[in-house]
Amino acid sequence: DGGITQSPKYLFRKEGQNVTLSCEQNLNHDAMYWYRQDPGQGLRLIYYSQIVNDFQKGDIAEGYSVSREKKESFPLTVTSAQKNPTAFYLCASSSVFGANYGYTFGSGTRLTVV
Amino acid sequence: AQSVTQLDSHVSVSEGTPVLLRCNYSSSYSPSLFWYVQHPNKGLQLLLKYTSAATLVKGINGFEAEFKKSETSFHLTKPSAHMSDAAEYFCVVSQNTGTASKLTFGTGTRLQVTL
Repeated sequence: DGGITQSPKYLFRKEGQNVTLSCEQNLNHDAMYWYRQDPGQGLRLIYYSQIVNDFQKGDIAEGYSVSREKKESFPLTVTSAQKNPTAFYLCASSSVFGANYGYTFGSGTRLTVV
Repeated sequence: AQSVTQLDSHVSVSEGTPVLLRCNYSSSYSPSLFWYVQHPNKGLQLLLKYTSAATLVKGINGFEAEFKKSETSFHLTKPSAHMSDAAEYFCVVSQNTGTASKLTFGTGTRLQVTL
């Protein structure tokens, strides 16, 4: 079955560490996205990528970095510069950039700073 | 600029009674509107979408929503709630500008279904 796989499901990070969240899709979608979810705030866009080797900052990109070396993969690195990284992170993809075609979401990674 | 307001952060209904989750939007252009559902610690699942076709949109699991341009609303309804409907629901708007666009999410409505 086609879909988006996020790993790990739960991740714990020490203060000052960088961590990388994995996102893989086998839907042959061109566009991929990373969202952050905090209680009572809905989802906020961190980064997005329309095609391989290209990505753009979203609304809250500070303290995060991404790469898009393969169509199927869009990993997110949470750097030590992110002041409040504890959140639920969701990866999504769409066949064409733009929401008219609908987004497919992964099941998320919950990151906790310890 | 676009925005979406979900008018209730929490809604509680009894099983078998109707569900109404309210959403108002603001958009400079003709919007596309969506409702997504999220069960605890899960990703988001698309319930239904409006993209300038019929104003009454039917989705999965018996949900439907009506696009009312004059009221800038896109409320989600279901005639009879089921226990499995308990989840968080997000109203989402996207502009049809013809260029790069992105989703804007509401803050969510948590639906509780009681016996």
